[in-house]
Amino acid sequence: DGGITQSPKYLFRKEGQNVTLSCEQNLNHDAMYWYRQDPGQGLRLIYYSQIVNDFQKGDIAEGYSVSREKKESFPLTVTSAQKNPTAFYLCASSISRGREKLFFGSGTQLSVL
Amino acid sequence: AQSVTQLGSHVSVSEGALVLLRCNYSSSVPPYLFWYVQYPNQGLQLLLKYTSAATLVKGINGFEAEFKKSETSFHLTKPSAHMSDAAEYFCAVSEGDKVIFGPGTSLSVIP
Repeated sequence: DGGITQSPKYLFRKEGQNVTLSCEQNLNHDAMYWYRQDPGQGLRLIYYSQIVNDFQKGDIAEGYSVSREKKESFPLTVTSAQKNPTAFYLCASSISRGREKLFFGSGTQLSVL
Repeated sequence: AQSVTQLGSHVSVSEGALVLLRCNYSSSVPPYLFWYVQYPNQGLQLLLKYTSAATLVKGINGFEAEFKKSETSFHLTKPSAHMSDAAEYFCAVSEGDKVIFGPGTSLSVIP
């Protein structure tokens, strides 16, 4: 079955540590997105990418980094500069740009130890 | 920049009653609009999408939404609530290459 796989489902970060969240899709989609979800705040866009080797900052990119070396993969690194990383992180993809339906992964819950 | 507001962070309805979830957007031109649903600890699923072909859009699970340009609204309705409709609902609008989400409305269905 085609879809988006996020791993791990739960992740714990120690202070000063960088952690990487995985996102893989086999839908052959060009566009991929990372959102952060906090209770009562909806989804906020962290980074997005329309093609391989290119990505753009979203509304809350500070403290995060991404790469897009392969079409099917869009990992997100939460760096030590992100002082409040505890949240539910969602990866999504779409055929092309923002007018198309987003397909979501099942999310990663990141918590700070 | 686009913005989306959803009136009511939490809505409770009785099983069998009408569901009405409100969404207003800020764009001055007809945008692409979406409603997504999220069940606990899961990703989001598309309920329906407005693309200017028709003002009344039918989606999955008996939901529909009406686009009203004069009110910049895209409210979601379902004639009769079912227990399985209890979830978080998000309205979203396209902005260039991005999709902007509202804060969400949590729907509870009372037996």
